[in-house]
Amino acid sequence: AQKITQTQPGMFVQEKEAVTLDCTYDTSDPSYGLFWYKQPSSGEMIFLIYQGSYDQQNATEGRYSLNFQKARKSANLVISASQLGDSAMYFCAMRSAGYNFNKFYFGSGTKLNVKP
Amino acid sequence: EAGVTQFPSHSVIEKGQTVTLRCDPISGHDNLYWYRRVMGKEIKFLLHFVKESKQDESGMPNNRFLAERTGGTYSTLKVQPAELEDSGVYFCASSQGQGFSVADTQYFGPGTRLTVL
Repeated sequence: AQKITQTQPGMFVQEKEAVTLDCTYDTSDPSYGLFWYKQPSSGEMIFLIYQGSYDQQNATEGRYSLNFQKARKSANLVISASQLGDSAMYFCAMRSAGYNFNKFYFGSGTKLNVKP
Repeated sequence: EAGVTQFPSHSVIEKGQTVTLRCDPISGHDNLYWYRRVMGKEIKFLLHFVKESKQDESGMPNNRFLAERTGGTYSTLKVQPAELEDSGVYFCASSQGQGFSVADTQYFGPGTRLTVL
C-alpha cells in the first residue's frame, strides 16, 4: 500500500533561517515520484518541487531542495533562508508507477510559521 | 497562463440539499482529478478523467457523488443529497499526462470549501 507520513503537524522557524520538513513514504513500486506542495492561507496548492525515484541527484528549485534518502524512504523538504511568505501548509505527495498510477497520495501536512 | 480554477470558493448548504462544484483545468490538460480533504485529515483521491472519460473513480465515497466532464473541458462534481460527513475541501487538479510518467505534475486549484449543516 502507498502511504505518506508527515510527523510534524506544526513548526516554527525564524526568518532567514533554514528549515526541514519531514516526509517518509512507503511503496513497493520501484518507480515513483515525490512532490511537495505549498498551501498558503489563500487556499491555492502551489507545486514546489519534484523528485523521481531514479534521480541520482537531489532536486533543487531556488530556495527549495529535497533531501532524498531512498534507503530510508524519506523525502524531506529543505527551505533555505526562510521568508515571512513561506508561512503556509506544506504537503508531501507521492505517485507510484503501478496499478494506482494516477493517484497522488498525500501526507497530513505540516503548518510552517515563519517568525520575524 | 491561467491555473486551475474552481467555483464556488465556499458553499454552505443544509443536509439533504444538492451542491454542484465546478472545475476548469489548465487549458490543454487532458487529465483532470478530484480530491477531497476532510478537516485535519489527508487529501484523498476521488476520481480521474482523461478528456471526457472516467479512468478511475475508485475514491468516490458513494453514489451520492456524481462527476462529469462534458466535452473534455470543465468538470462538475455533484453531491446529492449532501450529508454532514461530506463537509471538507474539494480540490481539483489537472495534468498534461504525456505518457505514463511519474513526473507528470498535477496542478491544483484553490479548492471549494463545502460545509453541510
